[in-house]
Amino acid sequence: ETGVTQSPTHLIKTRGQQVTLRCSSQSGHNTVSWYQQALGQGPQFIFQYYREEENGRGNFPPRFSGLQFPNYSSELNVNALELDDSALYLCASSSTPGSSNQPQHFGDGTRLSIL
Amino acid sequence: DAKTTQPTSMDCAEGRAANLPCNHSTISGNEYVYWYRQIHSQGPQYIIHGLKNNETNEMASLIITEDRKSSTLILPHATLRDTAVYYCIVRANTGNQFYFGTGTSLTVIP
Repeated sequence: ETGVTQSPTHLIKTRGQQVTLRCSSQSGHNTVSWYQQALGQGPQFIFQYYREEENGRGNFPPRFSGLQFPNYSSELNVNALELDDSALYLCASSSTPGSSNQPQHFGDGTRLSIL
Repeated sequence: DAKTTQPTSMDCAEGRAANLPCNHSTISGNEYVYWYRQIHSQGPQYIIHGLKNNETNEMASLIITEDRKSSTLILPHATLRDTAVYYCIVRANTGNQFYFGTGTSLTVIP
């Protein structure tokens, strides 16, 4: 069984640039969620994708957007990068959206640094 | 989703049981209790979850009080590799996200 994989592992950008982060879900999982984790904090939910559509969103501005592909992999795009966007970005996959009896399984994240 | 309260940090001697408490006094009847842990520089790792009955798997045991207002994660024989931040999360039946707090930083001491 292949787990959740994310790429790249580390990335450095400057303010105002755009970035795309990628996630491959665990085999058999059709739902992908993205989280942002600032240093010393717990992860915060950005949004979830199911059947290639957004299926819930946290308190993040529209410059955070995403995609899900037919193979269930997903991308997180962030435009107009700000210094506060520096964080660990985590992807999690699960087999059904919204089912409280299904755990989400996380990748090891992409560490994004904004200069 | 119900809010959870956890101690900021705990220590445990290697080989002893680590008991991590969590309060979730506003939990609803259909909300599950989940535990994850995060070792430095890695993603959160799923440990265990439960609704009302006690649960056990190869990693840990979860004890949920009868009124479901609190729970305890038990690592029966802590090792140095169990040093991590442990998150207790209550998840609503209709929720598609996990609300993480700041968790408990567990240090296993040799």
